Amino acid sequence: DAGVTQSPTHLIKTRGQHVTLRCSPISGHKSVSWYQQVLGQGPQFIFQYYEKEERGRGNFPDRFSARQFPNYSSELNVNALLLGDSALYLCASSQAKETGELFFGEGSRLTVL
Amino acid sequence: AQSVTQPDIHITVSEGASLELRCNYSYGATPYLFWYVQSPGQGLQLLLKYFSGDTLVQGIKGFEAEFKRSQSSFNLRKPSVHWSDAAEYFCAVGAGGFKTIFGAGTRLFVKA
Repeated sequence: DAGVTQSPTHLIKTRGQHVTLRCSPISGHKSVSWYQQVLGQGPQFIFQYYEKEERGRGNFPDRFSARQFPNYSSELNVNALLLGDSALYLCASSQAKETGELFFGEGSRLTVL
Repeated sequence: AQSVTQPDIHITVSEGASLELRCNYSYGATPYLFWYVQSPGQGLQLLLKYFSGDTLVQGIKGFEAEFKRSQSSFNLRKPSVHWSDAAEYFCAVGAGGFKTIFGAGTRLFVKA
């Protein structure tokens, strides 16, 4: 079975631009979470979606948004990019609605110039 | 507030030596605890988890961890380290029903 897949793997944007990151969960997983991992730090929680509904949001500005589609795939959108948004964005899927084991993709590496 | 502290930014051990990575957490209720490993350029992989029951938890790749409520700790151990264990290790706590809080990580270097 395929694991969590994310696209694109790498991208470069300039300040003020918009970016969309995509994630396909493991088949049968209904929960998708997004994390931001800045170099040298642990992943920081951004969003969790379960059955297309947002269940939680981390301490990120409104420039960050996400959604989950009927096939449980998900998009993370970031508007008005700042240099500080440069990071590895990780998507994780899980079977459970509540906190449990997370299965991570390899991430999307975003560089903002 | 919930938090996870990994006191060691990096650790170097010799191949074949034992390993212990420290983790302390702050959480009001009974925690769900995890250890994940991240190899360069890859996502995180779960090593082991603690939800309840036996406080000594066995994981993959020969790792184990012990939950000590009195010390708010969940240290990761391995009796004999292999060169392929070189990676970044993250301790994490499940919090609020929908999010997982990660520590800053400990980078493990293995010397021959």
